[in-house]
Amino acid sequence: EADIYQTPRYLVIGTGKKITLECSQTMGHDKMYWYQQDPGMELHLIHYSYGVNSTEKGDLSSESTVSRIRTEHFPLTLESARPSHTSQYLCASQGLLGTDTQYFGPGTRLTVL
Amino acid sequence: RKEVEQDPGPFNVPEGATVAFNCTYSNSASQSFFWYRQDCRKEPKLLMSVYSSGNEDGRFTAQLNRASQYISLLIRDSKLSDSATYLCVFNSGNTPLVFGKGTRLSVIA
Repeated sequence: EADIYQTPRYLVIGTGKKITLECSQTMGHDKMYWYQQDPGMELHLIHYSYGVNSTEKGDLSSESTVSRIRTEHFPLTLESARPSHTSQYLCASQGLLGTDTQYFGPGTRLTVL
Repeated sequence: RKEVEQDPGPFNVPEGATVAFNCTYSNSASQSFFWYRQDCRKEPKLLMSVYSSGNEDGRFTAQLNRASQYISLLIRDSKLSDSATYLCVFNSGNTPLVFGKGTRLSVIA
């Protein structure tokens, strides 16, 4: 089993609230990722990081922001949640080599009312 | 041409059947190839890597055809527990993995 954790697993929140989704891994992986996925739909990369103090935007434009202050921690923040942000958010990590397995966390299912 | 294309399915097959999925990719510089499996409302998990010479893991066989730019996954003797979405994945150098949209498989008793 992969040592990558996400909290909370489920979150229901009102419009306009600020939220932070937590992601931590204990594998010492430099590469970390955030994906957004609606039920039955494809994965969309929204942010990634290849190391501390390095973050990049993914293919899908997102109003969220990320930070990477510690190797093991890659939180995602929404300053003002909206119903359009309702989705599943999956965090992943990977070793440095392109052949290294990418491991996913269990996901956070976010509902914004 | 899209970076990666997969038949979305669904493939509905009876138990014990053999089923094959193909996935084409457009970037000839792609270096590493994988098949991931995603169960309903769960996270994707690595099923197997795909090696140039082809590789087998029990009932699963993966093949790579660089000339035609596709990878394939063959599942023999399908089980009910094989029902899932199978994602074709590849990478090119130091860029994020590219995930296909997935092929849905339903194995029926």
